[in-house]
Amino acid sequence: NAGVTQTPKFRILKIGQSMTLQCTQDMNHNYMYWYRQDPGMGLKLIYYSVGAGITDKGEVPNGYNVSRSTTEDFPLRLELAAPSQTSVYFCAIDSGYNEQFFGPGTRLTVL
Amino acid sequence: RKEVEQDPGPFNVPEGATVAFNCTYSNSASQSFFWYRQDCRKEPKLLMSVYSSGNEDGRFTAQLNRASQYISLLIRDSKLSDSATYLCVVTSSTSYGKLTFGQGTILTVHP
Repeated sequence: NAGVTQTPKFRILKIGQSMTLQCTQDMNHNYMYWYRQDPGMGLKLIYYSVGAGITDKGEVPNGYNVSRSTTEDFPLRLELAAPSQTSVYFCAIDSGYNEQFFGPGTRLTVL
Repeated sequence: RKEVEQDPGPFNVPEGATVAFNCTYSNSASQSFFWYRQDCRKEPKLLMSVYSSGNEDGRFTAQLNRASQYISLLIRDSKLSDSATYLCVVTSSTSYGKLTFGQGTILTVHP
């Protein structure tokens, strides 16, 4: 039982490149979230999903897209990477009662 | 005013000390409250939920004051392993699962 897994762990992108951050859970939870955390700051919600086929914007969605074709997977897409997207990205699931369980994160640098 | 505010610290305390963190939130309709712990370069992990009546888990005590809109975390008999960033988290009153994070309070426990 791996919980929430994220790939890759690290990535360096050039400005304008695109990439997909992968998030997979094996806990069969409906609610999934993507956050970003900038240095010295709290987490900010990018997108979330309440179940397969349903996604919605969070606080900072610009520059990102998501899809949720299955309960297990919730990938985050960056289409045109910008330096402002340099951050640590965390995927999370809601295990009930608003208690969220996070994946290990992806550290992204855009140069 | 930020939705969730914490004193960023850092708090530097000796082993065995008692240390307390406070957090204020701006939305009086917020429903659920949590403390998360985040080790350096790791994902946040749920430390404890905060209930209106206050709750204790070993050396950790959390309290909620809805009238004054603040949450506290008390750590007794600090251990070296308590060194981490402590994140105050509040849920939205309008959308299940949408957490708002404070920027975190850094704690360093030294021998």
